[in-house]
Amino acid sequence: EDQVTQSPEALRLQEGESSSLNCSYTVSGLRGLFWYRQDPGKGPEFLFTLYSAGEEKEKERLKATLTKKESFLHITAPKPEDSATYLCAVQAGSGGYQKVTFGIGTKLQVIP
Amino acid sequence: DAGITQSPRHKVTETGTPVTLRCHQTENHRYMYWYRQDPGHGLRLIHYSYGVKDTDKGEVSDGYSVSRSKTEDFLLTLESATSSQTSVYFCAISDSSGQETQYFGPGTRLLVL
Repeated sequence: EDQVTQSPEALRLQEGESSSLNCSYTVSGLRGLFWYRQDPGKGPEFLFTLYSAGEEKEKERLKATLTKKESFLHITAPKPEDSATYLCAVQAGSGGYQKVTFGIGTKLQVIP
Repeated sequence: DAGITQSPRHKVTETGTPVTLRCHQTENHRYMYWYRQDPGHGLRLIHYSYGVKDTDKGEVSDGYSVSRSKTEDFLLTLESATSSQTSVYFCAISDSSGQETQYFGPGTRLLVL
């Protein structure tokens, strides 16, 4: 069974204090790994897709990396507006529908 | 933002009543999905559609049915709502099912009393 585990469940940072969120996964036949940001009362907002180990993607203060067992979302010099829940998801399988499994998320709070 | 709207955005209903949630997209994407999000759980797939009149079950499909009569609309029906179906429901779309990002709507918050 595909599994996605995100850690920590919650993270509190001071503004400017860089850190990383972890997403570890166990799947058969990874097709892609996705990072989303979710604000309270809103739908998940797409951030990145990573397809193969060694791949990295950046957007503003966020950088996502992928290995064969986990992905990291690095947040450099975060600002209060980066406060949100960050979701990781993996897509695996072959053929028609390829299942996407979501983690529970990491709730990030950035304190001014 | 992907052109996805959901209606209603909030609904309160009573146990045993039927409820229909609507998802509308303007992106002409082939795939549409219904998820539910509950505390302590990741997003869980209820049903998905891979074309007009083509649908299939997800991991938590019991008590739910779907229909897709047009590319742009995907309906989720709770035939007889139960308290365990109190949740936040999200619609998502993608252009294909393989290596293709899913984009989410704003969600519908449903409370079953």
